[in-house]
Amino acid sequence: GDSVTQMEGPVTLSEEAFLTINCTYTATGYPSLFWYVQYPGEGLQLLLKATKADDKGSNKGFEATYRKETTSFHLEKGSVQVSDSAVYFCALSDGSGTYKYIFGTGTRLKVLA
Amino acid sequence: GAGVSQSPRYKVAKRGQDVALRCDPISGHVSLFWYQQALGQGPEFLTYFQNEAQLDKSGLPSDRFFAERPEGSVSTLKIQRTQQEDSAVYLCASSTRGTYNEQFFGPGTRLTVL
Repeated sequence: GDSVTQMEGPVTLSEEAFLTINCTYTATGYPSLFWYVQYPGEGLQLLLKATKADDKGSNKGFEATYRKETTSFHLEKGSVQVSDSAVYFCALSDGSGTYKYIFGTGTRLKVLA
Repeated sequence: GAGVSQSPRYKVAKRGQDVALRCDPISGHVSLFWYQQALGQGPEFLTYFQNEAQLDKSGLPSDRFFAERPEGSVSTLKIQRTQQEDSAVYLCASSTRGTYNEQFFGPGTRLTVL
């Protein structure tokens, strides 16, 4: 079945460092891909999405490109801030008609001042 | 506007008790999903409704889990005879219909079974 694999955390960075969180997927159809973020004490929020190959999603300085050839959707940010400290989830929406999400296990990011 | 709301936010149950978790989706959202999130893990799909029809319940872990959405709006997830392994955060999400449309998540209900 479909699956999502994320790099394990926690990831600890200094403020203004470059961030990459790896995400790869396995899917039989043509999924849409998402990054969700969960800030401490809050619910899941959509960060960005991409619906087809070579699409780039971007929001709040974060970017991710849907790479079909490598089945990847890595999250990047050029300069992280303390306020980016959160748990990041990669997810795919299956193409079977249910549109349910399949999530990765999450990557905790801690940014130090 | 109002987002997805869930109640209660926290629930403690003794093993063997029945619990009911409520989800109020965003008004007008056709699709409603329930997920279970164990500690330190990503959410896992439980069940999906399109309006009042439960179209996919493949993720429900046992027949002790039951969900309904009788009028196509509010949904209830019921767990009978709770077990310790049921302890988790239960998330509800809603969306307009279609694979490209993001799901909007509620804050979750944290269930602890003693």
